[in-house]
Amino acid sequence: QQQVKQSPQSLIVQKGGIPIINCAYENTAFDYFPWYQQFPGKGPALLIAIRPDVSEKKEGRFTISFNKSAKQFSLHIMDSQPGDSATYFCAARRAGNQFYFGTGTSLTVIP
Amino acid sequence: NAGVMQNPRHLVRRRGQEARLRCSPMKGHSHVYWYRQLPEEGLKFMVYLQKENIIDESGMPKERFSAEFPKEGPSILRIQQVVRGDSAAYFCASSRRTGGDTEAFFGQGTRLTVV
Repeated sequence: QQQVKQSPQSLIVQKGGIPIINCAYENTAFDYFPWYQQFPGKGPALLIAIRPDVSEKKEGRFTISFNKSAKQFSLHIMDSQPGDSATYFCAARRAGNQFYFGTGTSLTVIP
Repeated sequence: NAGVMQNPRHLVRRRGQEARLRCSPMKGHSHVYWYRQLPEEGLKFMVYLQKENIIDESGMPKERFSAEFPKEGPSILRIQQVVRGDSAAYFCASSRRTGGDTEAFFGQGTRLTVV
């Protein structure tokens, strides 16, 4: 059973566009929601994270929107660049437990 | 402050051999997680360990796979009698604790190829 559902599987945008990646979860005990960025041949790198008591968090060009009632959260990348082309994973966890990951979104930003 | 260190980066084993993957967590981190990633797939949880204890091994196959995180030294993921289907990238992550804003940081992974 997939604890965190992520969509779309792949995404292609033009440079400057705003790709949006969505995730949904069921377990209301989750209390921490990070996003990871992974380049080919590399390990996932923590990008940005949010807790459920906050509806939005921005770090540079990356924004997480969080809808607690809908049990959904999303990543927005402002002014996307070709260097943002990577695979993005959302995750969720509750204290004392493992991280549950989405299946990943392969993003391609076309110059 | 070195990050999570995994070694070897690449490992080739013949079917039936043993594979040992090592993970040294970040300094001050006492929690380690192992994940497996197949090509074009996401990260599949295998096992979660704290120093000298296995917290959750629900994602680890019951046979041939084992993991440890001793009081001293790195965490080890051990795969006995490897088969072709074990070929994958194995990632280790570590965190300082389990509550609050507990960030987990990943290593670069060990790419296991079974021939």
